[in-house]
Amino acid sequence: QSALTQPRSVSGSPGQSVTISCTGTSSDVGGYNYVSWYQQHPGKAPKLMIYDVSKRPSGVPDRFSGSKSGNTASLTISGLQAEDEADYYCCSYAGSYTSRVFGGGTKLTVL
Amino acid sequence: EVQLVESGGGLVQPGGSLRLSCAASGFTFSSYWMSWVRQAPGKGLEWVANIKQDGSEKYYVDSVKGRFTISRDNAKNSLYLQMNSLRAEDTAVYYCAREDRPNAFDIWGQGTMVTVSS
Repeated sequence: QSALTQPRSVSGSPGQSVTISCTGTSSDVGGYNYVSWYQQHPGKAPKLMIYDVSKRPSGVPDRFSGSKSGNTASLTISGLQAEDEADYYCCSYAGSYTSRVFGGGTKLTVL
Repeated sequence: EVQLVESGGGLVQPGGSLRLSCAASGFTFSSYWMSWVRQAPGKGLEWVANIKQDGSEKYYVDSVKGRFTISRDNAKNSLYLQMNSLRAEDTAVYYCAREDRPNAFDIWGQGTMVTVSS
């Protein structure tokens, strides 16, 4: 049950695009199409942004998109806005309901 | 309004016990897997445990196995986490979360802080 690997921080200017990676193994990210992404602002609860690798819940802007290749999942945010500045966490199913595993989190700074 | 509200956090000495509660409203609680997720101060999220709709299956992260017990009361629309033999490293904000489908935590509570310290 090792944490997934995310970059500690990424940054971009308003209007630009950024991509956050999430690397696991064939036992989690690579083995299932059950990767989700969460946005967390300081002092707030996480918010689901992407599930099933690339699906967006109702109300999440289409600027947010997800993908996966092999053991690495990615979250891309296009047309960056100031309110996108937050921490982002990936999460993967890791075989049946025995476990879920989160990434270490990535701090997004909008310059 | 769909809502989860945690309670029961506080300050406890190492080796002590605490029981967290999570009250659900605005949805059919008995239809969903439910989880506890924690976040140590300044750290990332860590999945702790989950429980099937009828309580027949329960799973835990290795670090809490044998010490924590997740349970639910569907008649009361409530989720619980009994925490025993608490350690300093259990200090965290504990969130309850609804799992709409595998690995999709779509509803979160506001969290309750647990501090383990002498």
